[in-house]
Amino acid sequence: GENVEQHPSTLSVQEGDSAVIKCTYSDSASNYFPWYKQELGKRPQLIIDIRSNVGEKKDQRIAVTLNKTAKHFSLHITETQPEDSAVYFCANGGATNKLIFGTGTLLAVQP
Amino acid sequence: GAVVSQHPSRVICKSGTSVKIECRSLDFQATTMFWYRQFPKKSLMLMATSNEGSKATYEQGVEKDKFLINHASLTLSTLTVTSAHPEDSSFYICSARDSRTSGGFTYEQYFGPGTRLTVT
Repeated sequence: GENVEQHPSTLSVQEGDSAVIKCTYSDSASNYFPWYKQELGKRPQLIIDIRSNVGEKKDQRIAVTLNKTAKHFSLHITETQPEDSAVYFCANGGATNKLIFGTGTLLAVQP
Repeated sequence: GAVVSQHPSRVICKSGTSVKIECRSLDFQATTMFWYRQFPKKSLMLMATSNEGSKATYEQGVEKDKFLINHASLTLSTLTVTSAHPEDSSFYICSARDSRTSGGFTYEQYFGPGTRLTVT
């Protein structure tokens, strides 16, 4: 079946350092790869997404890379700030329209 | 734009009763909405895909007779948890896809704020 593996489950970095979260998916028909940030008790917020026809996308301090051959994609956050602390979820979607979420990464940015 | 609301935000009910949760797209039409369940410190698990004017598609392991979904209009989907039990206590989140397309398929889903259900 479809599944998405996400690593690490927890990540602690110092303010100003970079954070990288990786996901591996199984559905070869996947063509949409969003990343969400979720604060405690809140809704997931889309922070960046990438389609399968693109290998990399950047938006200020956030970037996502996609390797369709290896079926993995990564989130890169540079110059981390305390307000980046949250749970981050990767997801992937395809022809079925639905999104399958990764297991989540708790990011803690230490001031 | 692209705002999704949920009602109620919190609900406490007694075991054996039913609870209805509403999901509304406020400024766009959504032929497809999704219902997720999220346990504490866990990921979002897709329960079902709600299709306007037709039956919902349930994920494997989700009881369709227990989690009734109705998508009667392009802006409203409801999830009814029937005969609720304490193990149904969870955070229920809906999302919606904008039915409009701009030269292609619209992938992005907009999430509601969630409903915290507690069954006592």
